[in-house]
Amino acid sequence: DAGVIQSPRHEVTEMGQEVTLRCKPISGHDYLFWYRQTMMRGLELLIYFNNNVPIDDSGMPEDRFSAKMPNASFSTLKIQPSEPRDSAVYFCAIATGSTDTQYFGPGTRLTVL
Amino acid sequence: QKEVEQNSGPLSVPEGAIASLNCTYSDRGSQSFFWYRQYSGKSPELIMSIYSNGDKEDGRFTAQLNKASQYVSLLIRDSQPSDSATYLCAVGRSGNTPLVFGKGTRLSVIA
Repeated sequence: DAGVIQSPRHEVTEMGQEVTLRCKPISGHDYLFWYRQTMMRGLELLIYFNNNVPIDDSGMPEDRFSAKMPNASFSTLKIQPSEPRDSAVYFCAIATGSTDTQYFGPGTRLTVL
Repeated sequence: QKEVEQNSGPLSVPEGAIASLNCTYSDRGSQSFFWYRQYSGKSPELIMSIYSNGDKEDGRFTAQLNKASQYVSLLIRDSQPSDSATYLCAVGRSGNTPLVFGKGTRLSVIA
């Protein structure tokens, strides 16, 4: 969990509700990644940012998903409206420009009923 | 489509034995290779990185890379029950392009 805070750690919501997941890198980084992990599909990249600019969002499942990074210390992933198939663990990861090693936050376990 | 393949396991080994985990990848342009360990309910934790063909040792862990065969492996010597986890192989190109992860191999070390 080096250098990344994620909140909430657990979220249970009902289908149709808006969900906002938060990521706060607390150490130096140039890159921020959002991943989703499920048993069936493993760890999937949703979107990543370089110096707060979105570089590739081709992994975002559909228009219901959006992500922002207003500054170097904060990023959000929003799902609106949420669906049961969005249930997964969502990870935020960071990396610096000098290496492509990624360090993961603790994750948010999302359950959509 | 870039793919990373791992045997899902579970791989069961007795305590003190060598555990061998394997990974193949499809992108010949891959330059960086990582092994992450993930305990149940936790986030992936980096344990090894390797960039050149051959072996790289770090304590009880040895990563092996063969780019010609597009094959990466992780050996864990003197396996301990605390090594029981899912091991994820990740592959990337240079310059901080996103890593592609395998689905992981579940290792169980039996005391």
